Amino acid sequence: DVKVTQSSRYLVKRTGEKVFLECVQDMDHENMFWYRQDPGLGLRLIYFSYDVKMKEKGDIPEGYSVSREKKERFSLILESASTNQTSMYLCASSFMSYPLKYGYTFGSGTRLTVV
Amino acid sequence: KQEVTQIPAALSVPEGENLVLNCSFTDSAIYNLQWFRQDPGKGLTSLLLIQSSQREQTSGRLNASLDKSSGRSTLYIAASQPGDSATYLCAVSTSGGSYIPTFGRGTSLIVHP
Repeated sequence: DVKVTQSSRYLVKRTGEKVFLECVQDMDHENMFWYRQDPGLGLRLIYFSYDVKMKEKGDIPEGYSVSREKKERFSLILESASTNQTSMYLCASSFMSYPLKYGYTFGSGTRLTVV
Repeated sequence: KQEVTQIPAALSVPEGENLVLNCSFTDSAIYNLQWFRQDPGKGLTSLLLIQSSQREQTSGRLNASLDKSSGRSTLYIAASQPGDSATYLCAVSTSGGSYIPTFGRGTSLIVHP
C-alpha cells in the first residue's frame, strides 16, 4: 500500500516560531500537496509540487513556504507562526502520469495549535 | 472554476439502513472522482475512485456511481453499521485544474445502534 507519513500528529507552537511540517511518501509519486482543513471551510490547497525543487502556489499560500529537496519528502514551513494558522494540515501525493487512474493518497494529518 | 457540493451536510440513521450520499459538480469535463472517508481528527482514507470513462465502482458494501452529464455522483452504503460513522468527502479532478482535485465540504454520517 502507498504510504504518506506525516511526522507529527499533534503540534503546539508559540506565536512567531518557525514551524516545519514534514511529509514523506514511499511510492515514488511525483506530485505532492499540502492542504489545510478548517471547520466550515473544507480543504484548501496551500502549495503543491510536481517535481524535486519545483513548487506551485495553491489557493492560500500566504504565510507559508515549502521545500522539496528529495522526491519523497515535501516540507511545509510556517515562517512566523500566527494563531490564525491553527488548523489541521494534510499532506497528499499522486503519480503525475496516472493521477487519473490511481487517485490521491493522504497522510494522517497534523493538528497544529499556535498559542 | 469547478464547484463541488455535497448534500446532505449531516445525516443520522439507525443501524442497518441503506443510505445514499450525494455529490454534485458544476463542470462535467472531469477526469475522475474520488470518495474519501475521514474519521474525527484523522486524515483521509480513499474509498473508491471512478474514472471519467466509468459509470460505477464497488467495494464491499460501498457502491459509487457517476453521471457526468448531470454532474452527479452518489455513494451508496448498504446495511449501514456504527463503524461507518465518519465524514465522507468527494473530490473531483478536472482538465482546467491541472488534475488537482476540488473537494466538497463533506457529509457527516452518524449510524446509531
